[in-house]
Amino acid sequence: QKEVEQNSGPLSVPEGAIASLNCTYSDRGSQSFFWYRQYSGKSPELIMFIYSNGDKEDGRFTAQLNKASQYVSLLIRDSQPSDSATYLCAVNMWNYGQNFVFGPGTRLSVLP
Amino acid sequence: DAGITQSPRHKVTETGTPVTLRCHQTENHRYMYWYRQDPGHGLRLIHYSYGVKDTDKGEVSDGYSVSRSKTEDFLLTLESATSSQTSVYFCAIKSEAYEQYFGPGTRLTVT
Repeated sequence: QKEVEQNSGPLSVPEGAIASLNCTYSDRGSQSFFWYRQYSGKSPELIMFIYSNGDKEDGRFTAQLNKASQYVSLLIRDSQPSDSATYLCAVNMWNYGQNFVFGPGTRLSVLP
Repeated sequence: DAGITQSPRHKVTETGTPVTLRCHQTENHRYMYWYRQDPGHGLRLIHYSYGVKDTDKGEVSDGYSVSRSKTEDFLLTLESATSSQTSVYFCAIKSEAYEQYFGPGTRLTVT
């Protein structure tokens, strides 16, 4: 079992729709969770982080965390073609020396 | 922009040659990281540093060494490059708020 899992996609949504990206993690003691966006040929860019159970909103992005279920998600409202990218989930894991463990990423395609 | 640069940005080298990649930061962050990214494997940690001369191994450290003689510079060395080390290499820092930011990456091809 991988430490951090994501659906690899591709996930295709029409422009203006809500894109829902999911991530599960294995270390129950993890405290910090991050979402990165990576365009093809570019480096990962931090777009959201969440530490507490519940929702955190930033513009069109909402991160949701459920520690009991070991589940974190990213919602993108009013999806735009410019949101087309690979989204990486990262978890700061205590059993990895507090290092970041990344999921394989979900490729999102927003169709005009 | 977290003030991270990497050099070179692209390199082609032959099997068996030594290669050194450089990561430079301008903001005095204590933690620095080297990752490699390959299709099907995602980002994997090679080595990290938690201070000058303080380094530790990550998930895929075999065949790699690192050095950090100054806060701002973190070097990754492939002592004898192999084709399996063809990859994109990213340097990253961890901010005081525990957020990780990445450099632009180095594309390394070992022929």
